[in-house]
Amino acid sequence: QVQLVESGGGVVQPGRSLRLSCAASGFTFRYYAMHWVRQAPGKGLEWVALISDDGFHEFYADSVKGRFTISRDTSKNSLYLQMNSLRHDDTAVYYCARGTAGMGEVAYFDYWGQGTLVTVSS
Amino acid sequence: QSVLTQPPSASGTPGQRVTISCSGSSSNIGSHNVNWYQQLPGTAPKLLISTNNQRPSGVPDRFSGSKSGTSASLAISGLQSEDESDYYCAAWDDSLNGPVFGGGTKLTVL
Repeated sequence: QVQLVESGGGVVQPGRSLRLSCAASGFTFRYYAMHWVRQAPGKGLEWVALISDDGFHEFYADSVKGRFTISRDTSKNSLYLQMNSLRHDDTAVYYCARGTAGMGEVAYFDYWGQGTLVTVSS
Repeated sequence: QSVLTQPPSASGTPGQRVTISCSGSSSNIGSHNVNWYQQLPGTAPKLLISTNNQRPSGVPDRFSGSKSGTSASLAISGLQSEDESDYYCAAWDDSLNGPVFGGGTKLTVL
C-alpha cells in the first residue's frame, strides 16, 4: 500500500535552515509529481511546493519562494524540502502528498504522510 | 485570507443533509477541477472528492460534489457523527501558478 513518511522536523531558530525528508513506498515514485503542504497550528492547509515526476519542474508558493527548495531522489524514493531563512510564520506541520502523474499541475493529493512539525522559535 | 472562500462552520443533526460551498474565480475554479479533502481531528487530510464530483474508492456515496462556474459545493447526506471534521476545497490557480485551498469548514454534528 502507498506510504509516505516524513521526517526532519524539530525546533529551529529564526534565520536558520532545516531539511525535511519524505520516504515513499508502495508505488512507482518516479511516475508521480509530489507536493509539500503545511498547516500552521489551528489554521488551514497551505500548499508549499510541487515537483514534477521527472524533477525538472518546480513550483512554489509566494510565501516560500527564494527560501525553500523542493527536490527528489528517485534512487531513494525520497522527496525533500530544504528550508532556509526560516521565519516564525513557517511554524507548521509539513505534509508530503502524492500528486498526479506527470507535471502535477492539479490540486490533487491522493495520499498524504502523517506530517512532521517544524517550530521556528528563538 | 484564502483564495477560495468557504464558510468557517456548518452544522446539522444526524440524518440531515448539509452542503458546504466553495467560491473562487475564473483563474481557479472557473478553469480547473475542484477537489475536496476531509481532515478528521489530529489526522492528515484525506482525499474525499476528486475532479469536481468523483468519489475515490472507499468514500461513502453519502458524499457528493458539484461545480458550476466559479463555485463548487460538497454535499453530505444522511449525516453521521463520524462526519464531524474539517473540510477543504482546492483547485489549481493560473495566476498564482499553484494549488490553492479554501480556508476550511468545520462541520459539527449536533
